Amino acid sequence: GAVVSQHPSRVICKSGTSVKIECRSLDFQATTMFWYRQFPKKSLMLMATSNEGSKATYEQGVEKDKFLINHASLTLSTLTVTSAHPEDSSFYICSATLAGVSTDTQYFGPGTRLTVL
Amino acid sequence: KQEVTQIPAALSVPEGENLVLNCSFTDSAIYNLQWFRQDPGKGLTSLLLIQSSQREQTSGRLNASLDKSSGRSTLYIAASQPGDSATYLCAVFSGGSNYKLTFGKGTLLTVNP
Repeated sequence: GAVVSQHPSRVICKSGTSVKIECRSLDFQATTMFWYRQFPKKSLMLMATSNEGSKATYEQGVEKDKFLINHASLTLSTLTVTSAHPEDSSFYICSATLAGVSTDTQYFGPGTRLTVL
Repeated sequence: KQEVTQIPAALSVPEGENLVLNCSFTDSAIYNLQWFRQDPGKGLTSLLLIQSSQREQTSGRLNASLDKSSGRSTLYIAASQPGDSATYLCAVFSGGSNYKLTFGKGTLLTVNP
């Protein structure tokens, strides 16, 4: 149980285009979803916290107009990288917490590798 | 601001050896600490979660300890196997009302057959 999927697993796009990444909780309802990014040989860094039906809370230094997060249902959150540039190339991972349960346990997706040419 | 440090950054050992990975954190007001495994280009697999009130957790050949007051945790792997080769990440859940997971950079473990 508590499986989180991400789609796509890998995406290559041209500079200036927008890319949407989906995060789904497959067998549970997720009150809260988190988006992280990971650069090579660096820590996972939290980008934003997303609660179903409300606006995402962004970490300091993360541009909310560039990284659009939508959490329209209890099983789906999307991250859209708008006008992507090569410096946005990274590994993006989402996680989700069980609705109605303490938020200290996060279930992680398999990640999405974004390469911007 | 919570900061998590992992030492060593990389470790290479022969198969069968017991080993210890270290994690330290700057703010001891944590809810819990987790150890994850990450294979190249993959997501995270949770290995062990230690609540702030606990001292250790065990799962199979893995044992994780927590000393909250000193801001340290160790992950002990017994009888290492080549399949244990991966990056091991330590993360602490903290932050008061603005709680979040803060990750270390990880330790890249290579177990040689």
